Amino acid sequence: QKEVEQNSGPLSVPEGAIASLNCTYSDRGSQSFFWYRQYSGKSPELIMSIYSNGDKEDGRFTAQLNKASQYVSLLIRDSQPSDSATYLCAGGSYQLTFGKGTKLSVIP
Amino acid sequence: GAGVSQSPRYKVAKRGQDVALRCDPISGHVSLFWYQQALGQGPEFLTYFQNEAQLDKSGLPSDRFFAERPEGSVSTLKIQRTQQEDSAVYLCASSSRGQPQHFGDGTRLSIL
Repeated sequence: QKEVEQNSGPLSVPEGAIASLNCTYSDRGSQSFFWYRQYSGKSPELIMSIYSNGDKEDGRFTAQLNKASQYVSLLIRDSQPSDSATYLCAGGSYQLTFGKGTKLSVIP
Repeated sequence: GAGVSQSPRYKVAKRGQDVALRCDPISGHVSLFWYQQALGQGPEFLTYFQNEAQLDKSGLPSDRFFAERPEGSVSTLKIQRTQQEDSAVYLCASSSRGQPQHFGDGTRLSIL
C-alpha cells in the first residue's frame, strides 16, 4: 500500500515568515513528487514538481527531496495571507498518491 | 478554455439513481485521470486513460463505477445505483506525456 503522510495542521505562521511543510512517503519506487495548493472549495493547483534529490526553487517556493529518507518538503518564504490554503503532497508516476494535506494559515 | 473543464459543478441525486460526470481535458493532453476526494482528505486515484485506452482502473471502488473516453478526448465517469458513500468531489486531471497533472474544478456529488 503506497502511502503519503502529512501533518494535517493547522500550521499558523505570521505574515512575512517562512512556512515549512513536510511529507514522507512509503513507496521507494516513486520518482516524481508534487506540491499542490488547494483553496477551500477549489481544485488542486500545481505549485512545484521535483524529480531528483536536492532543492528546487521557484520564486518564494522551494521544494526539497531526500529519496534516502523518503522525505519531501516545501518552504514558502515571505508568507502572505493569500498563501492560506491546504497544501497537498503527492508522489507517483502516472497514478498519484496524495497525502491528506496540511492546512496553512498566514496571520496578517 | 485553456484548463480542464468539468460538468456539472454540482450534482444532487437520490440514492439508487445513475449519474454521469463529464471531463473535457486540456487540448492535446493524451493522459486523463479521475480522482475522488472526500471531505478533509486528499484525492484518491480512480482510473487513468492514455488516449482512448483505459490503462488502469484499479482505484474504481466497485463495479458500479465505469469510465470511458471513446475518442481520446472527453471522458465520462458514470456511477450506477448511487449510494450515500459515493458523495464526494470527483476531480479530473490531464497531462501531456511525462508532465505534471492539471486538475479541473471538480464535480461535487451529493447523494440523498
